[in-house]
Amino acid sequence: GAGVSQSPSNKVTEKGKDVELRCDPISGHTALYWYRQSLGQGLEFLIYFQGNSAPDKSGLPSDRFSAERTGGSVSTLTIQRTQQEDSAVYLCASSTGPGPRYNEQFFGPGTRLTVL
Amino acid sequence: AQSVTQPDIHITVSEGASLELRCNYSYGATPYLFWYVQSPGQGLQLLLKYFSGDTLVQGIKGFEAEFKRSQSSFNLRKPSVHWSDAAEYFCAVTREYGNKLVFGAGTILRVKS
Repeated sequence: GAGVSQSPSNKVTEKGKDVELRCDPISGHTALYWYRQSLGQGLEFLIYFQGNSAPDKSGLPSDRFSAERTGGSVSTLTIQRTQQEDSAVYLCASSTGPGPRYNEQFFGPGTRLTVL
Repeated sequence: AQSVTQPDIHITVSEGASLELRCNYSYGATPYLFWYVQSPGQGLQLLLKYFSGDTLVQGIKGFEAEFKRSQSSFNLRKPSVHWSDAAEYFCAVTREYGNKLVFGAGTILRVKS
């Protein structure tokens, strides 16, 4: 079956612009995660959605970052007023449910964001 | 707070040689440990995981890892490396009911023929 897909694969934007990154999880997966992979910070957790529960936003680095998940499926990560330090690869993952024991996180190929 | 240290940024091994990638974690409770591999332009793929029980776990692609609580380590090994193993490897930890993976900085593996 299809894996996690992300779009666009690459995004170049100018400082101060808003960007939207999209994630399509594996069908039937109720849990969805966003991570950021940057040269300075490595791989870091951003946000987690599980079903209809309130998302865990504890990893979002600033209030310029937000994410939503519509209909329990597709998720959009929005970065407002982008800064050069936002340049990174944004990875999305999904799993069949919460908790790591029985629910492997499957990762998408990522969106490479470059802020000029 | 959980943290993961991968002391080696780069490792180069000859094809056919054995491999060991080091991972040390810091965590107060029982950790759930993972190794992921990332090939250029690809997402992360799970190689293996440890939750409890036998401290030597087998994974895909001929990899194995050993959990050593006394050393807070979870080193990844492979007896004979293939050129296709060249990639970046990440060790990660979470707690029993955790949903955030905490990753190490990664180790880039180069394989020379």
